[in-house]
Amino acid sequence: GAVVSQHPSRVICKSGTSVKIECRSLDFQATTMFWYRQFPKQSLMLMATSNEGSKATYEQGVEKDKFLINHASLTLSTLTVTSAHPEDSSFYICSASSFGQINSPLHFGNGTRLTVT
Amino acid sequence: GESVGLHLPTLSVQEGDNSIINCAYSNSASDYFIWYKQESGKGPQFIIDIRSNMDKRQGQRVTVLLNKTVKHLSLQIAATQPGDSAVYFCAETPFGNEKLTFGTGTRLTIIP
Repeated sequence: GAVVSQHPSRVICKSGTSVKIECRSLDFQATTMFWYRQFPKQSLMLMATSNEGSKATYEQGVEKDKFLINHASLTLSTLTVTSAHPEDSSFYICSASSFGQINSPLHFGNGTRLTVT
Repeated sequence: GESVGLHLPTLSVQEGDNSIINCAYSNSASDYFIWYKQESGKGPQFIIDIRSNMDKRQGQRVTVLLNKTVKHLSLQIAATQPGDSAVYFCAETPFGNEKLTFGTGTRLTIIP
């Protein structure tokens, strides 16, 4: 079945540094990828929609200059947390939609646990 | 705003028994519903989905029921096993819109 790979699974960084998280669709082309954020014991909150070849669409309240998204190919989207602060510590999860399959189940990566010290 | 919510945040079930997890949604435009299972430290895993033109769909040991009249969704897991212990989320989206809205989640614990 469709697989979404996310890397790294865990990252610890110092406050003020930037961290890049990769999301890859391994066996299908993903024109659209989604980035979610999940705090402990809470649900997933959509941060942005990443579209191949165009600018990402950010949800209300999400700073686009802080959470840079690049979707340069049909199999890769990256999320860069810039100038990270402790409050950015969270579980970041990406999901991908197969090209042309509207309303097919989204496939999720296994998430990235970001800890900012 | 519109939201998807769950009635019970935690649920404990004896191994082998059946479990039912409920979900209420408020967006009347929702057309596609999905149940996901999330184990600790992992991303959500697809369990079963249902479109609004159906009221019931069955998979292996799981059944999803949809009541559009009261905007209610449920996930039934039959003959629960220890591996079923996880957090379960319902999610919904209007037709053609892949932006999922997730419910608050229910933690299911299977008691051996």
